[in-house]
Amino acid sequence: ILNVEQSPQSLHVQEGDSTNFTCSFPSSNFYALHWYRWETAKSPEALFVMTLNGDEKKKGRISATLNTKEGYSYLYIKGSQPEDSATYLCAFRTGNQFYFGTGTSLTVIP
Amino acid sequence: EAQVTQNPRYLITVTGKKLTVTCSQNMNHEYMSWYRQDPGLGLRQIYYSMNVEVTDKGDVPEGYKVSRKEKRNFPLILESPSPNQTSLYFCASSLNRAQPQHFGDGTRLSIL
Repeated sequence: ILNVEQSPQSLHVQEGDSTNFTCSFPSSNFYALHWYRWETAKSPEALFVMTLNGDEKKKGRISATLNTKEGYSYLYIKGSQPEDSATYLCAFRTGNQFYFGTGTSLTVIP
Repeated sequence: EAQVTQNPRYLITVTGKKLTVTCSQNMNHEYMSWYRQDPGLGLRQIYYSMNVEVTDKGDVPEGYKVSRKEKRNFPLILESPSPNQTSLYFCASSLNRAQPQHFGDGTRLSIL
């Protein structure tokens, strides 16, 4: 069983704050790293798919970086808004299989 | 509308009574997958399918079966459900394994 770890487990920030969290994964047999956003009572929605070491992706105020050599990815949210409140999941792909972390639960306080 | 549809959304049943959770996608996706979500654990992959008639075990396949007779459908079968299969189940699909996955709305199964 592969270990994919996310930290912190939960985070409360004030509206307007910028924040970041981490996904750690095995540095061997790496194929891709996916980020998903999961709102309560909904299903996970894709944010990014990252495949190359040094990759940086951006969607609006959310961005992500990837370091495959050391096995981590950061997700950044700039100027957090209440609608950013959700659980953020990362998924490590090796071959045809996916391994998900337990997520970081973000609450943005107005 | 592009979507992944799971049925039923909720089911309470008893140990040993065979059940099937259906999953259908309308995006002509090749890759489909089933996951279970349990408290304190990440989504765990049960089975996946690379294409029609091609299925393979994920991390936690014990007690489950799948089939992929048509591209759009990927049912999850519990031949003899047990209480430890009480969980929230998600079906997901993507164009191929390299693309982001689209998730269904989830099926909450309770096995008494």
